[in-house]
Amino acid sequence: DTGVSQNPRHKITKRGQNVTFRCDPISEHNRLYWYRQTLGQGPEFLTYFQNEAQLEKSRLLSDRFSAERPKGSFSTLEIQRTEQGDSAMYLCASSYGQQSTDTQYFGPGTRLTVL
Amino acid sequence: AQTVTQSQPEMSVQEAETVTLSCTYDTSESDYYLFWYKQPPSRQMILVIRQEAYKQQNATENRFSVNFQKAAKSFSLKISDSQLGDAAMYFCAYRAGSEKLVFGKGTKLTVNP
Repeated sequence: DTGVSQNPRHKITKRGQNVTFRCDPISEHNRLYWYRQTLGQGPEFLTYFQNEAQLEKSRLLSDRFSAERPKGSFSTLEIQRTEQGDSAMYLCASSYGQQSTDTQYFGPGTRLTVL
Repeated sequence: AQTVTQSQPEMSVQEAETVTLSCTYDTSESDYYLFWYKQPPSRQMILVIRQEAYKQQNATENRFSVNFQKAAKSFSLKISDSQLGDAAMYFCAYRAGSEKLVFGKGTKLTVNP
C-alpha cells in the first residue's frame, strides 16, 4: 500500500492553456474523490467516482472542468482554458467504499499556478 | 446548506500541554459523521479522529479526543500531551447523505518547545 499518488506535484501554466492532473488511488479502493483547496480555505468537494461511474459533481465543476476514471483505477482531472482563479491545490482522495464510515485517504495534491 | 465553522484561525500550545480546537456545524440531518483531519506543512492530509452522530460516547484515539455536543452542534478536538509533530493545520469536516466531505477553514496549530 503506497498511498494515494498525484502527478504532477506542481504545475505552472499560462492563462488559457489546458492542464491535466492524474490521481492513482490506493489499490482496491473503488471510490475516488477530487477536492480543490485555495489558500486559507479548507478543501472543497468537486466530484467523486465509484469505480468508473461519476456519481456526484459540485456546482464548482464548471464546463471547463472534466474528470474521468476510465477503468475504475486512476483518474484524470482536466481544466480547459485555465483562468487565474483556477490557481489552487487540487487534492485527490480514495476510499474502500464498502461502508459509509470508510475513511477518505488523501494524496499530496497538485498545486496549480495560473499566470 | 451544510456548513462547518472553525472560529480559531490560529492556536498555540506549549509542548506537553493540552489544547482544544473548536468546531461548530449546521445541519438538518439526523444521521451524519464528523471528522478531524490534520494537514502538516507540505504534507498530505490524514484523518485524526471521527465520530458517528448516533454514538453518544465521545471518540478517542490515543492523545486525541473529541467533545461531541449534538444538541449544540459542536465538535471540539482535544490534544493532550502536545508534541512538536502535532503542529499542523487542523480541519473539521462533516458528511451526511452524500460522499462529499464539507470542511471548515481550518485552525493552524503551533506547538512551542
